[in-house]
Amino acid sequence: QKEVEQDPGPLSVPEGAIVSLNCTYSNSAFQYFMWYRQYSRKGPELLMYTYSSGNKEDGRFTAQVDKSSKYISLFIRDSQPSDSATYLCAIKGYAGNMLTFGGGTRLMVKP
Amino acid sequence: ETGVTQSPTHLIKTRGQQVTLRCSSQSGHNTVSWYQQALGQGPQFIFQYYREEENGRGNFPPRFSGLQFPNYSSELNVNALELDDSALYLCASSVPRLETQYFGPGTRLLVL
Repeated sequence: QKEVEQDPGPLSVPEGAIVSLNCTYSNSAFQYFMWYRQYSRKGPELLMYTYSSGNKEDGRFTAQVDKSSKYISLFIRDSQPSDSATYLCAIKGYAGNMLTFGGGTRLMVKP
Repeated sequence: ETGVTQSPTHLIKTRGQQVTLRCSSQSGHNTVSWYQQALGQGPQFIFQYYREEENGRGNFPPRFSGLQFPNYSSELNVNALELDDSALYLCASSVPRLETQYFGPGTRLLVL
C-alpha cells in the first residue's frame, strides 16, 4: 500500500462545475498538507498549504483536512479551462525533510 | 524575487553515461531538495541539502549524488545511467522554518 493514495483520473468536468479532488494517507505522523498544480511538462506549483484539520479557503480553492480519517480534499469552485492540469497532494511529517506525494489526478475542464 | 531555476531543460544520454543537473534556489532559500518524477507518477524524494550537507535521503542508490554550494545552488549527479532513470528531475527550495517547498520547471532526462 502506498503512503499516499490519489485517484489518477482523468476527471472531466464542464466549465463552471465544482471539482472535488481527494487523497488518503496511511501514516498518522503526517502533519503538513499541500496541494500542487502541475501543467504538462512543467514543475509543480504550490496552491494550498495547511497543517490543521478543517477548511482553508483561497479564492476559488478550498483545502479540507480530516486527520481522524486521514483524508484530504481540494475543492475548486467555478472551474475554468485554465484549471486543466494534474493536481498533486503532498504530505510531510513533523520530523523529516521529504514531501510524500500522491500519484496525481489529471483534471480536464471543458469549455 | 527570483524563482527556482534548473538547467538544462532537457537532455538525452545513453545507458552507462553520467549526467549532472543544476539548480539555483529561490532568493533567500537555503535548502534544496531533489525529486524524480516518472511519467504519470508523483515526484519521489531523492535527497535534500542544507548548509552544503546532505540532510535526508530517499530510497535511491548511491549512484545518485549531490552537492550544494555556498550560494545555495545545487547539483544532482547520476552515474551509470539506466533506462529507468528516464524521468523529470525536479529541484525544490525552501527554508527550514517553513514546511512548503517551491519547485523549479524540471530537467527532462531521456536515457537510451
